Amino acid sequence: LAKTTQPISMDSYEGQEVNITCSHNNIATNDYITWYQQFPSQGPRFIIQGYKTKVTNEVASLFIPADRKSSTLSLPRVSLSDTAVYYCLRSGSARQLTFGSGTQLTVLP
Amino acid sequence: GAGVSQSPSNKVTEKGKDVELRCDPISGHTALYWYRQSLGQGLEFLIYFQGNSAPDKSGLPSDRFSAERTGGSVSTLTIQRTQQEDSAVYLCASSLGSIGQPQHFGDGTRLSIL
Repeated sequence: LAKTTQPISMDSYEGQEVNITCSHNNIATNDYITWYQQFPSQGPRFIIQGYKTKVTNEVASLFIPADRKSSTLSLPRVSLSDTAVYYCLRSGSARQLTFGSGTQLTVLP
Repeated sequence: GAGVSQSPSNKVTEKGKDVELRCDPISGHTALYWYRQSLGQGLEFLIYFQGNSAPDKSGLPSDRFSAERTGGSVSTLTIQRTQQEDSAVYLCASSLGSIGQPQHFGDGTRLSIL
C-alpha cells in the first residue's frame, strides 16, 4: 500500500513561517491532497485541500508541483497554539485512506 | 449537533467481551468513515460508507470487526471477542459527497482492553 512520507518532527519559533513537505510518489490521477491538524485527545481537523498548483485559505497555503509527487503545507507566522501533529492524506480511494505518522510541529516561544 | 459525535468517549472492558462504539455524523453528510489510532501512531482506515452503497470494508483487520450504518446516518462499530491489541482510539468522520471531500472528525472513543 503506497503511503505518504513526512518528517517525524519539526521545531519552529513564534512568528516564523513553517513549511512541511509530504512525499506521495505513487499518487493517482483522482487523488486529492488534504492536510489535517490534530491536537492531543482530539480528532483531526481539516486545514486545506488541493489537487495541483497553489491553494490558499485563511490559515494556510498548499503548494503542489506539476508532477504531484509531493506537497508542501505552509503555515505563516506560527504561534504556540499551532503546536500539533500535521498529517497529509491522499484521498482518491478508500484503500489510500491511511494517514502516515504525521509531523509533530513544536512552536517555541 | 454541529459536529460528529461519538460515544462513549472512553470504554474499558475485559478481554473476550464484545463492544459497540457509536458515531453520529453531521446531518446531511453521505459519507462516513471509521479509523483506528494506536498510541503515537497515525490513523488506520477501517471502513467507509457512502450513501446506500455497500461499504468498503477493506481496512477491517479481522472478522471480529464489523460496522453498520442505519438509515444512512448513525453508525455502530462492533468488535467481538476483544483482544488486548484492540486497545486504541477509534475515530469516526463524515463528509459531504465523495471520498475526496474533507472529513470532519469526532473526538473518538478510547478503548482499553484489560
